[in-house]
Amino acid sequence: DTEVTQTPKHLVMGMTNKKSLKCEQHMGHRAMYWYKQKAKKPPELMFVYSYEKLSINESVPSRFSPECPNSSLLNLHLHALQPEDSALYLCASSQESGTVYNSPLHFGNGTRLTVT
Amino acid sequence: AQSVTQPDIHITVSEGASLELRCNYSYGATPYLFWYVQSPGQGLQLLLKYFSGDTLVQGIKGFEAEFKRSQSSFNLRKPSVHWSDAAEYFCAVGAFRSGAGSYQLTFGKGTKLSVIP
Repeated sequence: DTEVTQTPKHLVMGMTNKKSLKCEQHMGHRAMYWYKQKAKKPPELMFVYSYEKLSINESVPSRFSPECPNSSLLNLHLHALQPEDSALYLCASSQESGTVYNSPLHFGNGTRLTVT
Repeated sequence: AQSVTQPDIHITVSEGASLELRCNYSYGATPYLFWYVQSPGQGLQLLLKYFSGDTLVQGIKGFEAEFKRSQSSFNLRKPSVHWSDAAEYFCAVGAFRSGAGSYQLTFGKGTKLSVIP
């Protein structure tokens, strides 16, 4: 069982909808990440939070809005998405951001998003 | 800029046969290297990692990888494959992001492993 929990597992939304993806970890990790993975492609980094502050935004369109209410929770708010945004969205956490060797990433199972 | 190349998109092996998945990296400094596995519908699980020391590293599920600096390679091996090993395998390099003051992962495109019973 994964120690990073993502909800929902599947989400179908229209282009005018507003929805949120949620991620939770209780490992005491202080860094949390959002990745986007298209079919048959590697994960692509979207956002990194370190100690609840946004440290990396990979030039992600503003229709994706991350939020880190506390060190255990990470949300991704979605608004006015396009069909090409359909993908698997993976959340990950690590003890610290930046010490990728000593604190490797733990991934959740992802949310499969379909935009119609 | 860092990059990771996995030359094989898809590999098929028979159960019980040995396995080698290839990974080549490009990075200016000493690299942090990783292998992750992703089963269908799942997230990524860390198999093993390397930074320094013994160039042959052992991981979970009976996997090992060998770092060869002269070839810029970090190939993953398993002596006897099980049907449950069928999955997507990603090689990754940890590269320093000066703007963020942190290391982040860059993944290869992955190799899909199919296992014939």
